[in-house]
Amino acid sequence: SQTIHQWPATLVQPVGSPLSLECTVEGTSNPNLYWYRQAAGRGLQLLFYSVGIGQISSEVPQNLSASRPQDRQFILSSKKLLLSDSGFYLCAWSVGIGSNTEAFFGQGTRLTVV
Amino acid sequence: GESVGLHLPTLSVQEGDNSIINCAYSNSASDYFIWYKQESGKGPQFIIDIRSNMDKRQGQRVTVLLNKTVKHLSLQIAATQPGDSAVYFCAEMLSGGSYIPTFGRGTSLIVHP
Repeated sequence: SQTIHQWPATLVQPVGSPLSLECTVEGTSNPNLYWYRQAAGRGLQLLFYSVGIGQISSEVPQNLSASRPQDRQFILSSKKLLLSDSGFYLCAWSVGIGSNTEAFFGQGTRLTVV
Repeated sequence: GESVGLHLPTLSVQEGDNSIINCAYSNSASDYFIWYKQESGKGPQFIIDIRSNMDKRQGQRVTVLLNKTVKHLSLQIAATQPGDSAVYFCAEMLSGGSYIPTFGRGTSLIVHP
């Protein structure tokens, strides 16, 4: 069966520090991968998605970047965190291009920038 | 997404009542729709889906209704329980090309015992 791992679960980082959140998927090949951010009491904002190794599409220009060094690994990074980067970050995956399947979410990372 | 910058609407119900959560989607060409449930501090979980060639689909205690004419989805929860308290999101998808689920604003459901 397929599983998605996202870590760490919680993170407190000072302003100006770097960030690296990692997400890996098991049990599937060539998944579509996504990073979403959810501010407190708000909906899901798509940040990045990837349909293959090395392919990244950015939905919202901001202080973050994403990379996909391996088929089932998706990394969210920042060189210098801002207070506004605080939020709940969710990694998700789906299979197929153009097929009707749901996205499966990880358990999320609660990031607090202080 | 359309949910950015907007606080979530809230629906409060009594335990045992039926709940109806509504969602307006944006793309008339979307042909697949999903409802997710997100409990506090967790990632969204799949509840039920519906394709555009249907207008109703039933699951266990949940029913999704699709009205393509007005681009409206609803999620009906029968005999709502305290464990149903969560944020509920609808997502729309357009088949063909890269697959990107677009999420609605979300609704916070609070069930009072």
